[in-house]
Amino acid sequence: GAGVSQSPSNKVTEKGKDVELRCDPISGHTALYWYRQSLGQGLEFLIYFQGNSAPDKSGLPSDRFSAERTGGSVSTLTIQRTQQEDSAVYLCASTPAGGQGISPLHFGNGTRLTVT
Amino acid sequence: TQLLEQSPQFLSIQEGENLTVYCNSSSVFSSLQWYRQEPGEGPVLLVTVVTGGEVKKLKRLTFQFGDARKDSSLHITAAQPGDTGLYLCAGANTGRDDKIIFGKGTRLHILP
Repeated sequence: GAGVSQSPSNKVTEKGKDVELRCDPISGHTALYWYRQSLGQGLEFLIYFQGNSAPDKSGLPSDRFSAERTGGSVSTLTIQRTQQEDSAVYLCASTPAGGQGISPLHFGNGTRLTVT
Repeated sequence: TQLLEQSPQFLSIQEGENLTVYCNSSSVFSSLQWYRQEPGEGPVLLVTVVTGGEVKKLKRLTFQFGDARKDSSLHITAAQPGDTGLYLCAGANTGRDDKIIFGKGTRLHILP
């Protein structure tokens, strides 16, 4: 079956521009996470959606970052007025309901964002 | 804030040697997971441990969850070049805030 799909795979943008990153989770997975990974480092939690509950936005680094999840499926991470320090790989993952910490997180291959 | 500390950050050893990497926290977790990530790809789950003191084996890999559920270790026996990668531990505290947090990872390089 299809895995988690992220697009674009690479994005180069100029400082100050807005970018949108898309994530298509595995069908039926109610939990969706966004993480940020700087070069060779671990995963920094950004935001977590679980079903119809209010998302946990506690990891978003500034108010330039926002995310939404429409219809409990596709998610979009938006970064406004990009800065060079936003350059990183943005990873999306999904997991079944009730699976937090037990079921695997299924990751996409990420979007590599470069801000010039 | 829950934090997971991994050590060492980098490890380069010869094929055939044994190694252990660690994942430590001051917080209690409901479960801990270990993932391996290769360049250009997302992390892939290796194992989940949920019971304090639990030991799980996956071929040459042995995973242990500490009795107090605050730490975990990954031991690799007779390392092979195919074991090269970034090893990440991830913790969840189900019933508290549910989100899964990751450590910074151990980058392992096995020399042939």
